[in-house]
Amino acid sequence: DAGVIQSPRHEVTEMGQEVTLRCKPISGHNSLFWYRQTMMRGLELLIYFNNNVPIDDSGMPEDRFSAKMPNASFSTLKIQPSEPRDSAVYFCASSSETLKSQPQHFGDGTRLSIL
Amino acid sequence: GDSVTQMEGPVTLSEEAFLTINCTYTATGYPSLFWYVQYPGEGLQLLLKATKADDKGSNKGFEATYRKETTSFHLEKGSVQVSDSAVYFCALLGDYKLSFGAGTTVTVRA
Repeated sequence: DAGVIQSPRHEVTEMGQEVTLRCKPISGHNSLFWYRQTMMRGLELLIYFNNNVPIDDSGMPEDRFSAKMPNASFSTLKIQPSEPRDSAVYFCASSSETLKSQPQHFGDGTRLSIL
Repeated sequence: GDSVTQMEGPVTLSEEAFLTINCTYTATGYPSLFWYVQYPGEGLQLLLKATKADDKGSNKGFEATYRKETTSFHLEKGSVQVSDSAVYFCALLGDYKLSFGAGTTVTVRA
């Protein structure tokens, strides 16, 4: 079975540019999560969607960050304009339901470097 | 709020040594507990889970028991291999949010 698919795997761009990260969750999963991983802060939840609706975006750092989920099989995380402090690994995860016993399945991440 | 504390690394071991990584948690209610493993350049993979007190999760020779009385979920493996070198994360699942520990880097030498 295909897991969570993220693209691109690596992105290097100059500050001020728009960055779009993409995620395809596991088919049939109705919950989707975006995380950011840095050495300083570890893993941080940025936003959580359930049935394509954003439920909790309290972790989104600031207005430069936005996320969408237009359908059950696709989500994007956009940073505009990007800044060097946004450099991190961004993970997308999905799960089949929000009951406590269901684990989240992670993609391989996008390693983002803002110069 | 929910939180997870796991032992700091890095941990360096020889092959066939015994590994234990301590994890304690603070939570309201009855959370599910997980161990995830992250190999270099990859995402987090679920290693094992436990959903209620006294449950033992196990996978690939790793074990962890959900101890409500000590609010702990320590990870153990009796004989590690070089291929077990990775970062290990303890995590707690509340309503929908995973709270992660800081991660423990484990290096196994041949």
